[in-house]
Amino acid sequence: NAGVTQTPKFRVLKTGQSMTLLCAQDMNHEYMYWYRQDPGMGLRLIHYSVGEGTTAKGEVPDGYNVSRLKKQNFLLGLESAAPSQTSVYFCASSHHGQRAFFGQGTRLTVV
Amino acid sequence: GDSVTQMEGPVTLSEEAFLTINCTYTATGYPSLFWYVQYPGEGLQLLLKATKADDKGSNKGFEATYRKETTSFHLEKGSVQVSDSAVYFCALITLQGAQKLVFGQGTRLTINP
Repeated sequence: NAGVTQTPKFRVLKTGQSMTLLCAQDMNHEYMYWYRQDPGMGLRLIHYSVGEGTTAKGEVPDGYNVSRLKKQNFLLGLESAAPSQTSVYFCASSHHGQRAFFGQGTRLTVV
Repeated sequence: GDSVTQMEGPVTLSEEAFLTINCTYTATGYPSLFWYVQYPGEGLQLLLKATKADDKGSNKGFEATYRKETTSFHLEKGSVQVSDSAVYFCALITLQGAQKLVFGQGTRLTINP
């Protein structure tokens, strides 16, 4: 039972570099979400998807792009990383209106 | 838009004390409400949920009642343990419109022996 798997778990980037975070779920969930967690800020929604081929902006979408080409995968891209994007990133998935399952997180540092 | 407001932490209690963490929400329609818990270095786990007014969710001695009239979903536990030390998040999802899963800012709870 893999659930929700995020890769990588840790990454250090230089300012201006790009990278893609991968989220994979094996529960056939329609909904997938990307959050960032910063101290004292809780979880803030970056982008989300309600089904394969669809994406929508959350609270803090600037500087990020996403794609949902396959139902089981939700990719989060940083085209030109900035120090303000240093954070812990969490992916989650769920059925419509049901509990969400979370990945273990990706700790990203931009120097 | 939809939002969740939690009492600010951190909260520090002694073992066996009574716990309340307040949560209020603003939402269009009738959301489902959740409490999630995050232990150090881990992702979030569902603690309990309620899907309609007056529902009570419960798990591991924790309870929360969906109060539509006060738009609240306060978390309570009668006697906390050291192992309850974690960060607690209140969350909602609306079943209409945007259908986003929205979280409060989290409350860090520390229980001292």
